[in-house]
Amino acid sequence: GAVVSQHPSWVICKSGTSVKIECRSLDFQATTMFWYRQFPKQSLMLMATSNEGSKATYEQGVEKDKFLINHASLTLSTLTVTSAHPEDSSFYICSASRAGVAQTQYFGPGTRLLVL
Amino acid sequence: DAKTTQPNSMESNEEEPVHLPCNHSTISGTDYIHWYRQLPSQGPEYVIHGLTSNVNNRMASLAIAEDRKSSTLILHRATLRDAAVYYCIPGYGGSQGNLIFGKGTKLSVKP
Repeated sequence: GAVVSQHPSWVICKSGTSVKIECRSLDFQATTMFWYRQFPKQSLMLMATSNEGSKATYEQGVEKDKFLINHASLTLSTLTVTSAHPEDSSFYICSASRAGVAQTQYFGPGTRLLVL
Repeated sequence: DAKTTQPNSMESNEEEPVHLPCNHSTISGTDYIHWYRQLPSQGPEYVIHGLTSNVNNRMASLAIAEDRKSSTLILHRATLRDAAVYYCIPGYGGSQGNLIFGKGTKLSVKP
């Protein structure tokens, strides 16, 4: 199967700082990338969908100015959590998909963010 | 989005078959049925998907009811590595991005 990587795998930061998380599709071109967030003992929540070269589409309730998404190439998307606060501490997971119907979403291993 | 109902948890013995049910009575005619699983502290992993016909791959089989209102994921011989949360997700999939994760079924496998 296709491989998606995330970097870093975990990060601890101080409140008020910004954190950037990278998501890369290693062996395929991802037309679309997705960002999810998962709190402990809960399911994944879709935050936003991004297509290469265009602005991301955010889910209701997700602040686009706080969670900046850039999808500059067919193999790289970044999520920047700006002015992070303790309530932003979570497990952030990206996924990538090729174009087309019913294409599989390939998920990254996740990034655990802890904001102190 | 179609609503799904899955058991909160199930138990299986190692090397025995496991049938994981899912009800999706409000599924639309164009929605595929996707199954993903998530091991602890990892991102989800694709298992299988189908539209109307039953599907088989090296990981599992997917049996889809004729009316498409339910489906069953079949693991033919459970191993300890199959212990995970299994999510049944109706949706278009792919670049449409409408994979909405529910609570899933937590599968435990006993040696």
